[in-house]
Amino acid sequence: NAGVTQTPKFRVLKTGQSMTLLCAQDMNHEYMYWYRQDPGMGLRLIHYSVGEGTTAKGEVPDGYNVSRLKKQNFLLGLESAAPSQTSVYFCASSPQQRYHTGELFFGEGSRLTVL
Amino acid sequence: GQNIDQPTEMTATEGAIVQINCTYQTSGFNGLFWYQQHAGEAPTFLSYNVLDGLEEKGRFSSFLSRSKGYSYLLLKELQMKDSASYLCAVMDSNYQLIWGAGTKLIIKP
Repeated sequence: NAGVTQTPKFRVLKTGQSMTLLCAQDMNHEYMYWYRQDPGMGLRLIHYSVGEGTTAKGEVPDGYNVSRLKKQNFLLGLESAAPSQTSVYFCASSPQQRYHTGELFFGEGSRLTVL
Repeated sequence: GQNIDQPTEMTATEGAIVQINCTYQTSGFNGLFWYQQHAGEAPTFLSYNVLDGLEEKGRFSSFLSRSKGYSYLLLKELQMKDSASYLCAVMDSNYQLIWGAGTKLIIKP
């Protein structure tokens, strides 16, 4: 049982390059999230999805795009990477938010460095 | 604005008890979560409180006072493997999680 899987685990980009982070979950969860984690700061929500074909902006969406074409996959794209996007990115999923404990299941994280 | 405050770092001794505090100011409240995160790893769920009082789960307990906007995580019989960051998060009225910056707990022999 893989849970939540993120690829790649590590990536170094040059400013202006583009890339896509892939998140896959095998728990049939409806909700999926992309967070970034920076030193001294709490997890910040970039984008999230409440179901296949839907996406919504979180707290820090600028410079990122997402897609949820299949229920099990949630892609995070950086069209033109900037040094400010150097961070650790976490994908998470949950069965639902309302009427539930809201527990999130996290992937192992993707460490992105933008030079 | 919404805010979660918790100490940046704490140190405790193996076998002892430690209490990690969390205070919050959020737009509405739909529950408070504690997560554990070992260095270089993903956060993992520890506890969920939505009503006032103490929830006990083995060596870990979590307390909530909604009127005071306050929670704590109590870790008993500390083990070296408890060295980690502990993240406090509150679900607001829009069912969005607001995260604290985390408390790094260092356990000394």
